[in-house]
Amino acid sequence: AQRVTQPEKLLSVFKGAPVELKCNYSYSGSPELFWYVQYSRQRLQLLLRHISRESIKGFTADLNKGETSFHLKKPFAQEEDSAMYYCALLNAGGTSYGKLTFGQGTILTVHP
Amino acid sequence: EADIYQTPRYLVIGTGKKITLECSQTMGHDKMYWYQQDPGMELHLIHYSYGVNSTEKGDLSSESTVSRIRTEHFPLTLESARPSHTSQYLCASSDLWTDPHGYTFGSGTRLTVV
Repeated sequence: AQRVTQPEKLLSVFKGAPVELKCNYSYSGSPELFWYVQYSRQRLQLLLRHISRESIKGFTADLNKGETSFHLKKPFAQEEDSAMYYCALLNAGGTSYGKLTFGQGTILTVHP
Repeated sequence: EADIYQTPRYLVIGTGKKITLECSQTMGHDKMYWYQQDPGMELHLIHYSYGVNSTEKGDLSSESTVSRIRTEHFPLTLESARPSHTSQYLCASSDLWTDPHGYTFGSGTRLTVV
């Protein structure tokens, strides 16, 4: 069964510091992974997906199949990055195709 | 504007009442989902649909039911609300061909059963 683990429930950093939100997954096939973000009083929205290999709002995430990880990184955190972040894994086969499994979420707080 | 809409945003209701949470999307997406999310907690899939007349139970058992009579509409019903149903309910949709990997989420309905 597929599983997504975000080991840190809370993460606090100061403005300008690097930040890394950890995500580990368990999946038997070729994984397709995403990061979603939920800012205060806003709806959950896609931040980035690993197949796009893009950088959004300064965030990047590299898929490491050897370590089964998809950590989200930003070299210099900003106060507006404070939000709830979810890592998600797409089920890409069988009768459950298209279902996303979410991790537990990490609340990031960036202090001034 | 193409989007996904949930109503109501907030609902406070007494125990034993029947409620329906509405979810509609104007993007023509074939797949729709309901997630349950407690504050600051993970999302749990409770129902999903891959098209009209298709509904499936999700990973988290729920006493709610859903229907998919029209592509754009995916309402969730609780026949008899209980305090344990207090939570936030998020609706989402996706399309295999136009946006195969991203979900669009609604703003959610925060339900409180007293």
